[in-house]
Amino acid sequence: EDKVVQSPLSLVVHEGDTVTLNCSYEVTNFRSLLWYKQEKKAPTFLFMLTSSGIEKKSGRLSSILDKKELFSILNITATQTGDSAVYLCAVSLTSGTYKYIFGTGTRLKVLA
Amino acid sequence: GAVVSQHPSWVICKSGTSVKIECRSLDFQATTMFWYRQFPKQSLMLMATSNEGSKATYEQGVEKDKFLINHASLTLSTLTVTSAHPEDSSFYICSAPTGNSNQPQHFGDGTRLSIL
Repeated sequence: EDKVVQSPLSLVVHEGDTVTLNCSYEVTNFRSLLWYKQEKKAPTFLFMLTSSGIEKKSGRLSSILDKKELFSILNITATQTGDSAVYLCAVSLTSGTYKYIFGTGTRLKVLA
Repeated sequence: GAVVSQHPSWVICKSGTSVKIECRSLDFQATTMFWYRQFPKQSLMLMATSNEGSKATYEQGVEKDKFLINHASLTLSTLTVTSAHPEDSSFYICSAPTGNSNQPQHFGDGTRLSIL
């Protein structure tokens, strides 16, 4: 059975801290891994990763994929209270339609 | 960029009522759309894949007679929660792939359904 697991489930940090969120997967027919940020509404796209070892960066956020060890990390540096959200990892498969399998999510709270 | 519109954003209704949620792709055609359900403090759970012009594909454990899906055009999919009960209260989200596997799916803003 295809599975995506995120850790930690929740995290509380202070502004300025750096956090690392983890996503591991066990799937057949891997196509890509995606990170989303979810506040009160639907998820907002952050990154799509298809190749191992290539870091993607957007401001204070960065992410990398390891297809050999089957995991990805999302780093947030110099955290701000606006980073408080649930971070979701999803894996897209090559078989069939463009179905995503979502992980459990990591709930991040950044304190002022 | 590609946009998916979902309507309504919030519904409150009595037990036994049927509720229809619409998901539209505004500037691209979507032969496939996905419907998710999200309970508080949980992740998105895929309910079904909506296929334009054919029957939807439901995930294991999702009642097809309870959650009716219609994908009558290349830009519109609807989810109808029939005879809704309080346990159907949840956040329902749709998404649509653009057809390019190098692009992420686009999500609607979600519908918060509360059954009294």
